[in-house]
Amino acid sequence: GENVEQHPSTLSVQEGDSAVIKCTYSDSASNYFPWYKQELGKRPQLIIDIRSNVGEKKDQRIAVTLNKTAKHFSLHITETQPEDSAVYFCAAPISGNTGKLIFGQGTTLQVKP
Amino acid sequence: DTEVTQTPKHLVMGMTNKKSLKCEQHMGHRAMYWYKQKAKKPPELMFVYSYEKLSINESVPSRFSPECPNSSLLNLHLHALQPEDSALYLCASSQAGLGYGYTFGSGTRLTVV
Repeated sequence: GENVEQHPSTLSVQEGDSAVIKCTYSDSASNYFPWYKQELGKRPQLIIDIRSNVGEKKDQRIAVTLNKTAKHFSLHITETQPEDSAVYFCAAPISGNTGKLIFGQGTTLQVKP
Repeated sequence: DTEVTQTPKHLVMGMTNKKSLKCEQHMGHRAMYWYKQKAKKPPELMFVYSYEKLSINESVPSRFSPECPNSSLLNLHLHALQPEDSALYLCASSQAGLGYGYTFGSGTRLTVV
């Protein structure tokens, strides 16, 4: 079955620095890769996603890159701010055209003022 | 305000109780999901309703049973739960099929005593 590995599990950066979180997936047929942000005690929220027909997508300070050959994708946050502190989850489709997602183990990002 | 509404927000139940969690969405999505999330862990898929067809994660015990009265509602019936079932239960919806992000509800924090 599909497997998603996410690294690092924790990440601490100074305000203004960049943060990068990486995920690898196992199913080469996967073609959709979302990223979710979950603040403490709140629900996961979709922050950016990418489909396999593009290699990079950007939305203000957030970008996602995809390397289909290597089967990995990464979240890049630039000019980090304290409000970026949260747990970030990557996800990939479970095999089959079902819309089901499997989530990575999560990365706890701490942005120090 | 979230577009996926879950009730109740908190629930404490005994191991002999029967209770139900409710989820409603008004976005016209044709797929709805139940996920279970333990502290500091990623969401784990329990059930999917897509185009009125139920898909089950086979590792989910039978003391959890979903019900989909219509395409906007998804309930989760709970019976004879165990303390280890205590978790955050998240409902989500999406356009059906592959390649669409989820909108999560705020979740129900369940404690089994």
